[in-house]
Amino acid sequence: DAGVTQSPTHLIKTRGQQVTLRCSPKSGHDTVSWYQQALGQGPQFIFQYYEEEERQRGNFPDRFSGHQFPNYSSELNVNALLLGDSALYLCASSLPSGNTIYFGEGSWLTVV
Amino acid sequence: GESVGLHLPTLSVQEGDNSIINCAYSNSASDYFIWYKQESGKGPQFIIDIRSNMDKRQGQRVTVLLNKTVKHLSLQIAATQPGDSAVYFCAERSNTGKLIFGQGTTLQVKP
Repeated sequence: DAGVTQSPTHLIKTRGQQVTLRCSPKSGHDTVSWYQQALGQGPQFIFQYYEEEERQRGNFPDRFSGHQFPNYSSELNVNALLLGDSALYLCASSLPSGNTIYFGEGSWLTVV
Repeated sequence: GESVGLHLPTLSVQEGDNSIINCAYSNSASDYFIWYKQESGKGPQFIIDIRSNMDKRQGQRVTVLLNKTVKHLSLQIAATQPGDSAVYFCAERSNTGKLIFGQGTTLQVKP
């Protein structure tokens, strides 16, 4: 049973560029959330997707957008990258009524 | 803003001793709490959870205690092993399903 998988694992982008990160949820899970974790900090909620719609959103600018596909996989897009966007981006999946929330290993984004 | 706080940034224990990691939360409406372990370069790994209508829950070598009166959560690890060295986060689940994390406590296990 595959857990939450994310790609790519590491990437480097230049300020102003755009990035797309991908996530496949744990088998059987249909709710996907994205978190940003800066170095030395706890993860911060970006947004959550269910039934291909954004259900709720954290305190992140519109440069951060996402999408969920019919197979429940999801993408996180960040436009006009800033140096401060450098972080570990985590995807988490769960059932909508489920309590247990599992995380992937994350995508390390470095903006230079 | 929203936050879940941890009392100590670093905890150092001797191998074989018991470890206790504490956490204070602010939202009394939260109904569910989770402890995660995060090793260097990896994503958070689920350890144990507890509903707000419980005071205690035990897993394998781990116990979570919840004191709603003082909004305090703790994780106890029995017979701490070198493989337990990591950053530990408590997280509070809001009624909308998002998790609110604290800063984390680094557990160092000395051989």
